[in-house]
Amino acid sequence: KNEVEQSPQNLTAQEGEFITINCSYSVGISALHWLQQHPGGGIVSLFMLSSGKKKHGRLIATINIQEKHSSLHITASHPRDSAVYICAVIEQETSGSRLTFGEGTQLTVNP
Amino acid sequence: KAGVTQTPRYLIKTRGQQVTLSCSPISGHRSVSWYQQTPGQGLQFLFEYFSETQRNKGNFPGRFSGRQFSNSRSEMNVSTLELGDSALYLCASSFVGAGYEQYFGPGTRLTVT
Repeated sequence: KNEVEQSPQNLTAQEGEFITINCSYSVGISALHWLQQHPGGGIVSLFMLSSGKKKHGRLIATINIQEKHSSLHITASHPRDSAVYICAVIEQETSGSRLTFGEGTQLTVNP
Repeated sequence: KAGVTQTPRYLIKTRGQQVTLSCSPISGHRSVSWYQQTPGQGLQFLFEYFSETQRNKGNFPGRFSGRQFSNSRSEMNVSTLELGDSALYLCASSFVGAGYEQYFGPGTRLTVT
């Protein structure tokens, strides 16, 4: 069993739909990252969370430390949101920036 | 502010050869981490350097090594290349480490034939 699991693995939506991607982890963490990877490989950090909720534009990320679960929401989805979304955690006993990654969610938003 | 740069962007090597990849972090960032991404294993942590010292190491064989220079630029080296080393190698920099946002470079695509 992976330490970080994401669901769904693949997600297809119509433009304008509300999207949720889930991430569950089995270890104690100090922080959780949501990353976006476009074709070609470039990775952008969307959020870093250690508690609560963060919002940036149409993106919202939440985390429940007790339940070891985080969600990434995209409101009013757009074709340019099509990408792979990756959840990554920093384990509590780790100093520095050692990230453990989920397998990613491939999101396709159709016009 | 310039982003994280990686050189070269693409590389083709033959089995048994060695390769050196370079990563220049964002100015002021002292932590540089390296990751390997393959279709089969996904993203995996290789190692992290902070102030010229290796602070964390992933579960990779000793053929994978790295270093960091006083200007925070980092290099990783893979010796005796194997076909399975074909991957996208990404580096990321952050100001200090764990509690700070990671900024990723564009990656180096290594193909081993």
